[in-house]
Amino acid sequence: DTGVSQDPRHKITKRGQNVTFRCDPISEHNRLYWYRQTLGQGPEFLTYFQNEAQLEKSRLLSDRFSAERPKGSFSTLEIQRTEQGDSAMYLCASSADPGGNGNQPQHFGDGTRLSIL
Amino acid sequence: AQSVSQHNHHVILSEAASLELGCNYSYGGTVNLFWYVQYPGQHLQLLLKYFSGDPLVKGIKGFEAEFIKSKFSFNLRKPSVQWSDTAEYFCAVNAGNYGQNFVFGPGTRLSVLP
Repeated sequence: DTGVSQDPRHKITKRGQNVTFRCDPISEHNRLYWYRQTLGQGPEFLTYFQNEAQLEKSRLLSDRFSAERPKGSFSTLEIQRTEQGDSAMYLCASSADPGGNGNQPQHFGDGTRLSIL
Repeated sequence: AQSVSQHNHHVILSEAASLELGCNYSYGGTVNLFWYVQYPGQHLQLLLKYFSGDPLVKGIKGFEAEFIKSKFSFNLRKPSVQWSDTAEYFCAVNAGNYGQNFVFGPGTRLSVLP
């Protein structure tokens, strides 16, 4: 168990640029989640995958955000035309949930900190 | 929409003091409940979870939590805190037909004075 790995650890970019983050979950974890966390707040759900299928996306999430998990293993989160308000820590988590009932704990990565200049 | 509230933003205790952190959620159906901890410079880790059975659950490092369905609460407790318990604590609720959506509370920062 090597844990959830996220890359890069820190991304600094200018407003209006596109950014892409990568998450490698724990091997054979079928669920993968993306969250956003700002200072003083808990993680905010963005989207989740069961294997390669994206099953839910937050209704609050802008269309500038897109996520993929093409082979059911690693996932990418892309933000297009970044804005100041996108500055946050982006967290990835995975869980083994063969029953699909959501009662399995999530294992979190260290996150990618996005700073928009 | 479901929501999770945590009563205290910042709690400061001396070592050996008892701890209780409040968590309330708003969802009328079946829920799975979790407490996560984030130590300084580390990622979120699971402390304990409840999804059925005995409403008093025990987790790692001497923590326990009690699910009170009538109060929509899942408070975290520890009889005697240590300096190493200094961290941020998050309550999380998972609900929905397929348990797909985790909602986290805003967190409580615990500072334990040596």
